[in-house]
Parts: sequence; C-alpha cells; structure tokens
Amino acid sequence: EAQVTQNPRYLITVTGKKLTVTCSQNMNHEYMSWYRQDPGLGLRQIYYSMNVEVTDKGDVPEGYKVSRKEKRNFPLILESPSPNQTSLYFCASSLSYAGGYEQYFGPGTRLTVT
Amino acid sequence: GDSVTQMEGPVTLSEEAFLTINCTYTATGYPSLFWYVQYPGEGLQLLLKATKADDKGSNKGFEATYRKETTSFHLEKGSVQVSDSAVYFCALSSGGSNYKLTFGKGTLLTVNP
Repeated sequence: EAQVTQNPRYLITVTGKKLTVTCSQNMNHEYMSWYRQDPGLGLRQIYYSMNVEVTDKGDVPEGYKVSRKEKRNFPLILESPSPNQTSLYFCASSLSYAGGYEQYFGPGTRLTVT
Repeated sequence: GDSVTQMEGPVTLSEEAFLTINCTYTATGYPSLFWYVQYPGEGLQLLLKATKADDKGSNKGFEATYRKETTSFHLEKGSVQVSDSAVYFCALSSGGSNYKLTFGKGTLLTVNP
C-alpha cells in the first residue's frame, strides 16, 4: 500500500530535550516536505527536500533541522524543543517538485512540549 | 507572496443540503489549485485539483472550477452527507523550485442527520 508513515504519532516532551520525528514514504517520491498545523493558521511549511541531499527552508524553519540521506526518509529534528513548537506535524511527499502533482500526507504527529 | 483566503467556519448543514465553501487566492504566474480534506484524527487527503484556468476538478460529488478572472476556486457539493463532515483546505502551488502548498486556514464542516 502506497503510504507516508510518521513516528511517533503522539509525543509529550520537556523543553530542551532533543527529539526526532521520522517520516518514510514507499512511493519512490522525489519531493518531501514537513508542515505544522496550528489552530487558526492552517498549515505552514517548515522544510522541504527536492531529492537526496537537497533540502531547503520553508516558511517557518526556526528551531528545526532535517536531513535527506535516503530517498524514502525525511526525519524532522528538534534540537532543543520549546513550548511554541507544540503543534500537529505532517510529513508529505510528491512524485515531483513540479507543480500540479498530488502531495500525499502522513497521519500526523501531535507534539506537546512542556 | 502567495496566499489563500477561504471562508471562515464552522459551517453546519443538514444532510442533503447544498454546500459552498468559498476560496480566493493571490499568486504569481499560473498556480495549480487544490482542495484537501482532513477527516477527524487523520492526515490530509487530496479531494480534487485543477491545474489551469477553466479546469473543473471533481471527486465524490464535489466540484470546483478554476476561475482566473476572479482568482477563485470555490468548492461545491449538491447534497452533503454526514460522512462529509471534515475540515476542508483550499491550497495552491506556484511550482518553481519549491513545490510548496500554500494553504488556507481550513473550514470545518459539520453535517447533521
């Protein structure tokens, strides 16, 4: 089954404790992206990757890191989480970075930073 | 920059009512337009899309037409069902070097039996 998986689905952590949210897709997609969803703000892009070893900042990259060492995986790293990073996070992938292709979303990771 | 404005929710309808969710956009060039749906506790799924002016996207009884002259992409359905209850997001992509989706804030639809 074609899908984007994220782990964990739920995470409660404390300020400053490094964490990684994993994202994996099995569709051989070139393009992957991370979004955060906050009430009243919709979804905003954090980082994206057009292919292996090619990543760049989205609209709200502060406090996050990513890497793309393999085509299927695109982990999101919070080196020192803060309460303002409490949010619902979605990973997405697409066949290509050219416009018009569908983006497939993972089920989401709900992160709470206390 | 790119932006999407969609009607504020929540929207509450009775089953079999007509649905319209308005969406207008601002973008450079010729963006692709999308409607995504988010059911409770799930990720977003593509509902329909249109990639050029006057295209009509349709799926599961939902329709939206890409209107370049009014920069709009309104979502419509003739007869909603309880199972349509969800959050609906209008989005655009201008393509280029970053296939970023720019989303509206979402509209919560609740359909009562």
